[in-house]
Amino acid sequence: EAGVTQFPSHSVIEKGQTVTLRCDPISGHDNLYWYRRVMGKEIKFLLHFVKESKQDESGMPNNRFLAERTGGTYSTLKVQPAELEDSGVYFCASSHSHEQFFGPGTRLTVL
Amino acid sequence: AQSVTQLGSHVSVSEGALVLLRCNYSSSVPPYLFWYVQYPNQGLQLLLKYTTGATLVKGINGFEAEFKKSETSFHLTKPSAHMSDAAEYFCAVGNPPDDYKLSFGAGTTVTVRA
Repeated sequence: EAGVTQFPSHSVIEKGQTVTLRCDPISGHDNLYWYRRVMGKEIKFLLHFVKESKQDESGMPNNRFLAERTGGTYSTLKVQPAELEDSGVYFCASSHSHEQFFGPGTRLTVL
Repeated sequence: AQSVTQLGSHVSVSEGALVLLRCNYSSSVPPYLFWYVQYPNQGLQLLLKYTTGATLVKGINGFEAEFKKSETSFHLTKPSAHMSDAAEYFCAVGNPPDDYKLSFGAGTTVTVRA
């Protein structure tokens, strides 16, 4: 069974540009989560989808971040426009119940 | 609200020695507790979890952890470290079914000396 996949693995962009991160969850997992780890800090929750609906987006930093999960399968996280403080590793996880399975993360660097 | 504190951002142990990683949590409701490991250039992998029942839980690769409610702790141990245990370890707390999001500690990097 394929695990959670994320694309790209690395992204380097300039301040003000737009970046879109993609997450493909484990097939059949209704729950999809986004987390972020800024350098030197703990991993922080961003938001939680149940199928295509946003269940909890309390961790989204500001309105420059937009997450979607059309059709309840893969999800995208768009940052527009990117700022320096958005640099970090973005993790996606999916679950059927309480155990979350994590992807390898996307390392985003904003210059 | 919930939070997690991991004591020690870096731990160095000799091969064959005890590994002890400390985790304390705060939670307003009975928590679900997790330990994840991240090997270099890989994603987070679940080591073990406590949900309900037996407070001593065993995980993969010889790790175990004990939930102590009175101490609000969930420390991770392994009796004998192996070189392959070098990684970053994260303690996390969740409160399903009402709140599925995980709150993580800052992580502890383990190095193993030959």
